[in-house]
Order: sequence, then structure tokens, then C-alpha cells
Amino acid sequence: KNEVEQSPQNLTAQEGEFITINCSYSVGISALHWLQQHPGGGIVSLFMLSSGKKKHGRLIATINIQEKHSSLHITASHPRDSAVYICAVTHGGSQGNLIFGKGTKLSVKP
Amino acid sequence: NAGVMQNPRHLVRRRGQEARLRCSPMKGHSHVYWYRQLPEEGLKFMVYLQKENIIDESGMPKERFSAEFPKEGPSILRIQQVVRGDSAAYFCASSGTGGLYEQYFGPGTRLTVT
Repeated sequence: KNEVEQSPQNLTAQEGEFITINCSYSVGISALHWLQQHPGGGIVSLFMLSSGKKKHGRLIATINIQEKHSSLHITASHPRDSAVYICAVTHGGSQGNLIFGKGTKLSVKP
Repeated sequence: NAGVMQNPRHLVRRRGQEARLRCSPMKGHSHVYWYRQLPEEGLKFMVYLQKENIIDESGMPKERFSAEFPKEGPSILRIQQVVRGDSAAYFCASSGTGGLYEQYFGPGTRLTVT
């Protein structure tokens, strides 16, 4: 079993829909990261959080430490949101290196 | 451009050749992480370096792979005697401090071994 699991693996949505991507982890963590990887391959860090909730524009990330679960929400989705969204954790005992989920491929249709 | 830079962006090598991948961290950053993304697989940690020090190389294959981050110049990931299974995207990320600080990713180097 992977230490970081994401669901769903693939997600197709219509423009304007509210989207949720889930991440569960099985190790003790210092922080959880949400990353976005565009079709060209570049990776952008969206959020780093260790508790509660963060919001940036149409993106919201939440984490429940007790349940070892995080969600990434996208409100009013747009075709430009189409990308792979990756959940990663900083293991509590590590030097900061990340453990990654396999990613959720999101396609938003106009 | 104050972002993380990697070069080359694409690298083609024949089996048995050497590959050198370079990573220049963001200005002011002294911590570099290397990650590998094999085709159809997730990203995996390889090595974490500070200037002139390897802090954690637990993700590095035992043979043919090495990394350095000299006092001056970029961090280099070196793969000797490449094999087809080394074909992947190699990303580096930098942070101002190790541990709980946000990492900023470079655009990656796509290595193809023919």
C-alpha cells in the first residue's frame, strides 16, 4: 500500500463545476503539499499546510490531521484548470524530502 | 528570472553514455532536492543536498548515480553508463531552508536513453 493515496485517479468535469480531490496518508507528517503539474510537465506548488484550511483564489485546501486526510477543492472550474494534481507529504522524521501520491488527472471540458 | 533553472530541458543519450543534469536553485536558496518521475509513475525522492553536503541520499540507486552541490555553481545529478530504464523526467526543487519550508520546482530535464 502506498504511503500517500489519492482519489480519484482521473476526473472529468464540465466548466463551472465544483471539484474535490482527496488525499489520504498513512505516515506521520510535518506538512502536506498540493502540487499542480501541467501537460508541459512543469510543477507548481499550490499549498503547503499542516493544519486547518488555506484558500488561494478558486482553490481551497483542507487537512484533518486526526483522520490523516486532505482535500483540494476547485470552485467554478475552468478548462485552464486541466492538469495533474499531486498530493505530497513531508514525513515527520525526514529532512524535508517529499513522498508523493500518484496524482489525479483533471480534465475540465468547456 | 529568479526561478529554479534546470538544463538541459531535454537530453538524449545512448546506452552506456553519461548524463549530467544541472540545477540552479532560486536565488538565496541553499537546499536542493532531486526527484525522478518514471513514465506513468509518480514522483520519487532521490537525494537532498545542501552546499557541499549530501544530507540524505536514501532514494538514490546504489550504482551509477551520484549528485553534488558545490560551493559555487549548480547542483549536478550524474548518471553513468545510462540504461533504458533511466529514461524519465528529473526534477529538482529548492528551498531556503530544509525541513518544513516550501519547495520550488524547476521545469525538469527529460532524459531519453536510446
